[in-house]
Amino acid sequence: NAGVTQTPKFRVLKTGQSMTLLCAQDMNHEYMYWYRQDPGMGLRLIHYSVGEGTTAKGEVPDGYNVSRLKKQNFLLGLESAAPSQTSVYFCASSYNRAGELFFGEGSRLTVL
Amino acid sequence: KQEVTQIPAALSVPEGENLVLNCSFTDSAIYNLQWFRQDPGKGLTSLLLIQSSQREQTSGRLNASLDKSSGRSTLYIAASQPGDSATYLCAVFGQAGTALIFGKGTTLSVSS
Repeated sequence: NAGVTQTPKFRVLKTGQSMTLLCAQDMNHEYMYWYRQDPGMGLRLIHYSVGEGTTAKGEVPDGYNVSRLKKQNFLLGLESAAPSQTSVYFCASSYNRAGELFFGEGSRLTVL
Repeated sequence: KQEVTQIPAALSVPEGENLVLNCSFTDSAIYNLQWFRQDPGKGLTSLLLIQSSQREQTSGRLNASLDKSSGRSTLYIAASQPGDSATYLCAVFGQAGTALIFGKGTTLSVSS
């Protein structure tokens, strides 16, 4: 049972480049989340989804887009990367709204 | 706006010591509170989830308590071991919230 899988684990981008982070979960969870973790700032919610085909903004959504075309996948896109988006990105999922949260291993992104 | 604070930010103890990690939150209207562990370079692992109607939860050497009225939770670790060295994060799910709100964590170092 893989749980929550994130790809890629590491990526270096130049300012202005675009990329997509993929999150896949095999637990049939309805709720999926994207957080970013920065030193001194803790974990902050970027976007979340309450089910297939739905997405919503979190605390820090600017510069990111998301899609949930399939229940098991939640994609996070950066259309034009900026150095301020250098961070570790975590995907998480839960069975219901306030359920136990399961995290992926993280994706470390550096924007030069 | 819900805010979660964890004190201290870092803690060093000798092996075998019993210890307490503290978490406080500003809005007592919560569904639940969750404690996580994060090892360096890894994702978060759920340790304990306390529903708002509960006072405590136990798992092995870990015991988490919740005092919703005062906005406080503690994580008690008995007979600490070097393998307990990690960052411990507290998070709350507010009744009006859409996702967990995290504290910045307490980094624990247990020396042998």
